[in-house]
Amino acid sequence: AQSVTQLDSQVPVFEEAPVELRCNYSSSVSVYLFWYVQYPNQGLQLLLKYLSGSTLVKGINGFEAEFNKSQTSFHLRKPSVHISDTAEYFCAVSGTASKLTFGTGTRLQVTL
Amino acid sequence: GAVVSQHPSRVICKSGTSVKIECRSLDFQATTMFWYRQFPKQSLMLMATSNEGSKATYEQGVEKDKFLINHASLTLSTLTVTSAHPEDSSFYICSASPSGITYEQYFGPGTRLTVT
Repeated sequence: AQSVTQLDSQVPVFEEAPVELRCNYSSSVSVYLFWYVQYPNQGLQLLLKYLSGSTLVKGINGFEAEFNKSQTSFHLRKPSVHISDTAEYFCAVSGTASKLTFGTGTRLQVTL
Repeated sequence: GAVVSQHPSRVICKSGTSVKIECRSLDFQATTMFWYRQFPKQSLMLMATSNEGSKATYEQGVEKDKFLINHASLTLSTLTVTSAHPEDSSFYICSASPSGITYEQYFGPGTRLTVT
């Protein structure tokens, strides 16, 4: 079985400030990790994914995430956020042959 | 590339009627399609997985007779909510995979279903 915990339901941040959205996972097998963004009333857009290799993964829109196996974490970071980054962010985990399991989401609210 | 569309984007129907939602992969062939349900301010929950030409595999707790899934071609899957009730109101999102690998999914924009 696998699960994802997103520790923060909401993260308020000022524009141009850095942000970190936390994600921890549990799985009994090797995992693949993902971050998706969802804008209001829209589907999911893939920000980045970790399948193997370098533990630092760079994605779209200036986001990056680091896979930390010992801490079972995959936190999402951006050094300087923009108003347009306001959205819901979902961390997800998948195994080789298992379904994609999503966390409960983190609402990133960027204000001036 | 890898665009998935859904139609309609919003639908309102009366209690007791059925509604069909289409999911299309526009620029690739989808070996596997997935249907998710999302309640307000909650995460996505997988409802079922369908492979072209095969019966869908439903997740535990999902009524297969209520949520009929058809994956008749490599670019089209449909979800029919039969005898809809207000508690079926939700945001339904499909995804498609060209390879059948669960970690390679491309998501549609979602369909907002409201049952009155």
